[in-house]
Amino acid sequence: DTAVSQTPKYLVTQMGNDKSIKCEQNLGHDTMYWYKQDSKKFLKIMFSYNNKELIINETVPNRFSPKSPDKAHLNLHINSLELGDSAVYFCASSQRTSGLFTDTQYFGPGTRLTVL
Amino acid sequence: GENVEQHPSTLSVQEGDSAVIKCTYSDSASNYFPWYKQELGKRPQLIIDIRSNVGEKKDQRIAVTLNKTAKHFSLHITETQPEDSAVYFCAALPNYGQNFVFGPGTRLSVLP
Repeated sequence: DTAVSQTPKYLVTQMGNDKSIKCEQNLGHDTMYWYKQDSKKFLKIMFSYNNKELIINETVPNRFSPKSPDKAHLNLHINSLELGDSAVYFCASSQRTSGLFTDTQYFGPGTRLTVL
Repeated sequence: GENVEQHPSTLSVQEGDSAVIKCTYSDSASNYFPWYKQELGKRPQLIIDIRSNVGEKKDQRIAVTLNKTAKHFSLHITETQPEDSAVYFCAALPNYGQNFVFGPGTRLSVLP
């Protein structure tokens, strides 16, 4: 069974468009993340979110917004796409509650976004 | 905030040799240090991790060491195989409730 899934796998779109990437996890984790991996392979956190707080990397433009309809989903909405948004976007999840506390993150397969 | 550096950026070894990748971090409050392996076109996958209350951890051919005083941790791969070729990322978790900070990655090539 797929633990963390993303759709679509590839996304090609024109500059200025608005697009969304969906992420779902079936691990029962309480925290989900979005990462951006650029052409140089740098892996940068964009957001982390659980039902209590959203932590935003301050370098992320406000054109990017996470939306979580429930604990198992964290979608990424991007408005007014720019050329520099082209990258691979990874969703991830982990369990961050107290008690049996683990931070192991499980990544989705990635979405390759190309902005023309 | 936390800053993680990683060296070397590229590493080539002969099959059967050992490989060592080193990371340094800046926030002494960081307490969790995972290592991820990313094969070409695939997702990052956790291969080993270590917490700040442990100095060393080993899993078959892979080991991680942590020096809290010097704020560095290292990945050791012994008896390397061609399938070990990938990009390896280290990361640090500054505090509960904050985000992971990843190193820039090391591209390891194991030559047959």
